[in-house]
Amino acid sequence: DGGITQSPKYLFRKEGQNVTLSCEQNLNHDAMYWYRQDPGQGLRLIYYSQIVNDFQKGDIAEGYSVSREKKESFPLTVTSAQKNPTAFYLCASSFSPQWTQYFGPGTRLTVL
Amino acid sequence: ELKVEQNPLFLSMQEGKNYTIYCNYSTTSDRLYWYRQDPGKSLESLFVLLSNGAVKQEGRLMASLDTKARLSTLHITAAVHDLSATYFCAVDGNRDDKIIFGKGTRLHILP
Repeated sequence: DGGITQSPKYLFRKEGQNVTLSCEQNLNHDAMYWYRQDPGQGLRLIYYSQIVNDFQKGDIAEGYSVSREKKESFPLTVTSAQKNPTAFYLCASSFSPQWTQYFGPGTRLTVL
Repeated sequence: ELKVEQNPLFLSMQEGKNYTIYCNYSTTSDRLYWYRQDPGKSLESLFVLLSNGAVKQEGRLMASLDTKARLSTLHITAAVHDLSATYFCAVDGNRDDKIIFGKGTRLHILP
């Protein structure tokens, strides 16, 4: 089945640790996105990528990093520089930036 | 800078009633999206509206777009409990490759 997978579903991080969230899609989509959602809030864009080996900062990129070495994969690293990382992280993909985005199931990150 | 505002942000309604959620945006755009999110879950695409006057319907939900007024509506007809969820509108910024989400409308339908 085609779709977007994210792992892990739940992630716990200690202060000062870097953690990496996985996002994989087999939809043959060119564009991929990372969003952060806080309780009762909308989605805020962290990073996005329109093509392999290229990505752009979104509205809240500080404390995060990404890579896009393969079309199918767009991992997000939450670094220790991100002061308040506890949130629900959603990955999305689309054929191109102007097309509908399809979302993965999300990763819930908690800082201990 | 594109801003997207939804109202109301929270709506509690009885089954069988009709209601409308509004999505206003601040700059010209040709594309507007509606998504649904169930508690603790991801977002599911409902509608894409691509032109002025566009109307799309799926079951008890109907979405419309007025690009001149920079307004989209999501109308719920004869609400049922299964429609309880948070509904987001999102607008294509045109000038860049991002879409901007509203804060969402949390819909609670009472049996």
